[in-house]
Amino acid sequence: EPEVTQTPSHQVTQMGQEVILRCVPISNHLYFYWYRQILGQKVEFLVSFYNNEISEKSEIFDDQFSVERPDGSNFTLKIRSTKLEDSAMYFCASSDRRHQITETQYFGPGTRLLVL
Amino acid sequence: SQQGEEDPQALSIQEGENATMNCSYKTSINNLQWYRQNSGRGLVHLILIRSNEREKHSGRLRVTLDTSKKSSSLLITASRAADTASYFCATNKAAGNKLTFGGGTRVLVKP
Repeated sequence: EPEVTQTPSHQVTQMGQEVILRCVPISNHLYFYWYRQILGQKVEFLVSFYNNEISEKSEIFDDQFSVERPDGSNFTLKIRSTKLEDSAMYFCASSDRRHQITETQYFGPGTRLLVL
Repeated sequence: SQQGEEDPQALSIQEGENATMNCSYKTSINNLQWYRQNSGRGLVHLILIRSNEREKHSGRLRVTLDTSKKSSSLLITASRAADTASYFCATNKAAGNKLTFGGGTRVLVKP
């Protein structure tokens, strides 16, 4: 069964450093998302991406964040200058809107980011 | 309360019992999705119910949706120890839009 994959599974970085989190969405999906979950808290939406551009973003997704789909398979989240409060589990998700029944968002296993 | 709030926050049951958890939301939705998360791991999609549906089943799962009350319930029948996890509801205003998650219900199924 197709699945969303994410790398790395864990990342430790120093405050102020740039990190890139990588995701490979399900191959025929058209919508891509990033969410994050701070330990013990709710899953929060960051950004959605469709047709090579951001379709929606939350207030969390400030100028320090960017997303890119550099090729036909990868979807990346970059944090330019990490802060302590960026420590969280980051989830990538994808969905396929072409078929009426497929609004389901499928999530990857997550990247646990720890900023020291 | 915020969009997508579950109750109870935690639930402890014996194996074989049923587990019921509820989710309330505030704004109109296109669909509502339930996810499971094992400790520290990814989100596994369980079931999606659309705003024009009232009930759906998938295996041992039964989901109801009452749009007049803006609430949904997830029932797990004949629970197993492997059902121990956190369960989240997430609302979606339209396909392709963001999911808004609740705080989750932590379910412990004791063998």
